[in-house]
This record gives sequence, C-alpha cells and structure tokens, in this order.
Amino acid sequence: GAVVSQHPSRVICKSGTSVKIECRSLDFQATTMFWYRQFPKQSLMLMATSNEGSKATYEQGVEKDKFLINHASLTLSTLTVTSAHPEDSSFYICSAPSARNEKLFFGSGTQLSVL
Amino acid sequence: AQSVTQLDSQVPVFEEAPVELRCNYSSSVSVYLFWYVQYPNQGLQLLLKYLSGSTLVKGINGFEAEFNKSQTSFHLRKPSVHISDTAEYFCAVTVGNAGGTSYGKLTFGQGTILTVHP
Repeated sequence: GAVVSQHPSRVICKSGTSVKIECRSLDFQATTMFWYRQFPKQSLMLMATSNEGSKATYEQGVEKDKFLINHASLTLSTLTVTSAHPEDSSFYICSAPSARNEKLFFGSGTQLSVL
Repeated sequence: AQSVTQLDSQVPVFEEAPVELRCNYSSSVSVYLFWYVQYPNQGLQLLLKYLSGSTLVKGINGFEAEFNKSQTSFHLRKPSVHISDTAEYFCAVTVGNAGGTSYGKLTFGQGTILTVHP
C-alpha cells in the first residue's frame, strides 16, 4: 500500500539552530500534506497544511516564520524549525491523503529534542 | 471547533481478554470519526472509520467501534486481544462534509496505550 516516509526519525540539536524534517509520499502523488505536532501526554495537533506550488496554510497560533513549510514537489514536503528552542521539542508527524482523498497515510514521526 | 477526549491514558489487559478503549467527542456540526493505531516506530494506521450509515463499524484486526450520537461517543472494542495488539490508539474526528471529504484536518484525542500481557 501507499507509504509516507518521514526523516529523520529522531534529531537532537542545539538551541538556536535550524532543523529540517522531510516527508515523502513513496508511491503516490500528494498535492496536499499535513503537519502535526504532539507534546508529551497530549494529543496530535494540526500545525499546517502544505500545498504543492503554493503557500502553506497555518493553524491559529502556529508561527509561520518559525515553522517553514515547503512543498517542493508532488512527493516531498519539508518542515524547517528555525532557531529552535527547547520549547519546540516535540514529536512532529506528517500525513498525506490518498489520491481519492478517502484515506490518510502517516509518516512514522520525528522526535525533536532541542538542548 | 471539535474536541476529542480519550478517557484512559493507559489500559493494561491480559491476552485473550476483551478490551474497550473509550472516546468521547464534542462538536456543533456533524463529524466523521476515526480510530488510528500506532505500533512502536511506525506511522499511524487507520483501524476503522465512521462516516454514515450503520453505527457499528468493523475494522481491521478484529476491532470494532460503535457510534453513539446521543452519548457523543465512539468507543473501540475487541472481544479477545493478542500480544500483538499492544500499541497506542488514537481517536480522531473531522468535520463531516456532504460534498466531499478531507481527512487531513483531524482533531485527535490524547491517545490510549494498550498493553497486552501474557
């Protein structure tokens, strides 16, 4: 079946640095991808909708200048956490809908730890 | 806006015992409901979904869930669990759209860790 690949699975970085997370649809094209964030013991929260060829749509309260999203092709969306701080430490997960939009495929997530 | 509450953060059970994972939601509009499972080091996988029709929905791996509109619940059940069912389970909702569906803008519950003991 369709697979969404997300890399890296785990990253540790110093405060003030930037981190890029990649999300790829492996055997299908995704004009839209979704980025979620999960803090410990809390639910997954939608951060933004990534749109191929246009600007991402951010949910209320999500800083677009801090969480840069680029949907460069029909199979790749990237999330860059700029000038990361310890409070950005979280589990980030991407997803992409199937071609007929009847199913959502998820990546395995990225655990970001900012020291 | 919608919200989802999973009433149990952890549920330990013995193998072959029945299990119920509880999920309640709130919404001012009609919703679609989902249960996802996440095994260690893997992405979320869809277990089952309720869009319309029969309120009892059957999913993969022997799981089923019942939509109860009056109780605003969508509890997940399995009559006999296996060790391999150990995972984290997420209940989620999205706004129902008669003109088409987009499952991307999901509102998730906090997750329930099911641990099946031998």
